[in-house]
Amino acid sequence: DAGVIQSPRHEVTEMGQEVTLRCKPISGHNSLFWYRQTMMRGLELLIYFNNNVPIDDSGMPEDRFSAKMPNASFSTLKIQPSEPRDSAVYFCAGSGLSGDTQYFGPGTRLTVL
Amino acid sequence: AQSVTQPDIHITVSEGASLELRCNYSYGATPYLFWYVQSPGQGLQLLLKYFSGDTLVQGIKGFEAEFKRSQSSFNLRKPSVHWSDAAEYFCAVGPRGTYKYIFGTGTRLKVLA
Repeated sequence: DAGVIQSPRHEVTEMGQEVTLRCKPISGHNSLFWYRQTMMRGLELLIYFNNNVPIDDSGMPEDRFSAKMPNASFSTLKIQPSEPRDSAVYFCAGSGLSGDTQYFGPGTRLTVL
Repeated sequence: AQSVTQPDIHITVSEGASLELRCNYSYGATPYLFWYVQSPGQGLQLLLKYFSGDTLVQGIKGFEAEFKRSQSSFNLRKPSVHWSDAAEYFCAVGPRGTYKYIFGTGTRLKVLA
């Protein structure tokens, strides 16, 4: 199994641009999580999907952030418009039916200039 | 309030020396407990986890952790550190039956040759 796949691994963009981060979870994992990691705030849960349905988006910082999971094998996190304070590493993680252990992807390092 | 404390932000040990990373949690009941490792530029890799049963848990890469209910602790140990263990280590708690992990702020390990 290739594990959780995220793309791109690095993204540099200018303020105001739209950014789309992508995640392919491990096959069979029915829960998917998006996290943001910064030096100041550590790891923060942004949104949680179960069976492709958003269950908890209370961690999404602003309306500029949106996430979708059109099917069990793909999810996106979009920021529009992006701002310099969005610069962070964004992780996707998944867990199986038991929902107890989360497996993380390699992350996308986003830099907004 | 639920919380996870990793009191040591940085730890430096010599290669071959023993290691103990501390983790304390505050939670009303015994949660699921995890240790993850993050190498530079990488995602979080699960080292080990505790759900129930034997309080001494063995993980990958020669790591072990001991759950002590009376101290609300889940300290990570390794008898002999290798240079490749240099990374950041995160303790996390996951309330049973839910998806919301609470991560500690991490301990960055430096290994001296």
